[in-house]
Amino acid sequence: GNSVTQMEGPVTLSEEAFLTINCTYTATGYPSLFWYVQYPGEGLQLLLKATKADDKGSNKGFEATYRKETTSFHLEKGSVQVSDSAVYFCALSDLGGANSKLTFGKGITLSVRP
Amino acid sequence: NAGVTQTPKFQVLKTGQSMTLQCAQDMNHEYMSWYRQDPGMGLRLIHYSVGAGITDQGEVPNGYNVSRSTTEDFPLRLLSAAPSQTSVYFCASSLGAYNEQFFGPGTRLTVL
Repeated sequence: GNSVTQMEGPVTLSEEAFLTINCTYTATGYPSLFWYVQYPGEGLQLLLKATKADDKGSNKGFEATYRKETTSFHLEKGSVQVSDSAVYFCALSDLGGANSKLTFGKGITLSVRP
Repeated sequence: NAGVTQTPKFQVLKTGQSMTLQCAQDMNHEYMSWYRQDPGMGLRLIHYSVGAGITDQGEVPNGYNVSRSTTEDFPLRLLSAAPSQTSVYFCASSLGAYNEQFFGPGTRLTVL
């Protein structure tokens, strides 16, 4: 079946540091890949997505590239801010028609200190 | 648009009690789903629905029932609450299963 593996956390960085959060996946077919973010006390919201190999998703300074050869979708940001402190989830959705569903990684907590 | 709404925000139950978590969306989305979030486990799919009158089980369906009589509403019923069901529950909706999912704010449930 499908699975998503995220690097272990938590991650603590200083403001303006470079961020990389690793995500690899196992899937049959041609999945779409997503990064969701959960701010404290809130539900998840979509951060960015990529629907095919070599696509790059980007939003709010975050980027991730769909790498089919390495089955990866690592999240990066060049300069983090305190407001980026949140839990980040990598997810995939296979294109299996009406019964497709999202599979989430375990999430990683990012704390950014001033 | 209110988006996805969930009630209640917090709930405490005793073992054996039953209750229904409410979820509603006003975006005319066909696809709705329920997840539970537990520390170190990420989000796990409980049940989902691809349209009114159609539901199916996810990864962890035991102890939960759902129904989908309208496009807007997708309630989750706990038949006989157990301490293992202590969790944060999220409802989500989307145009289709592989579209962006919109999440509600969550319900924090404690079973004593």
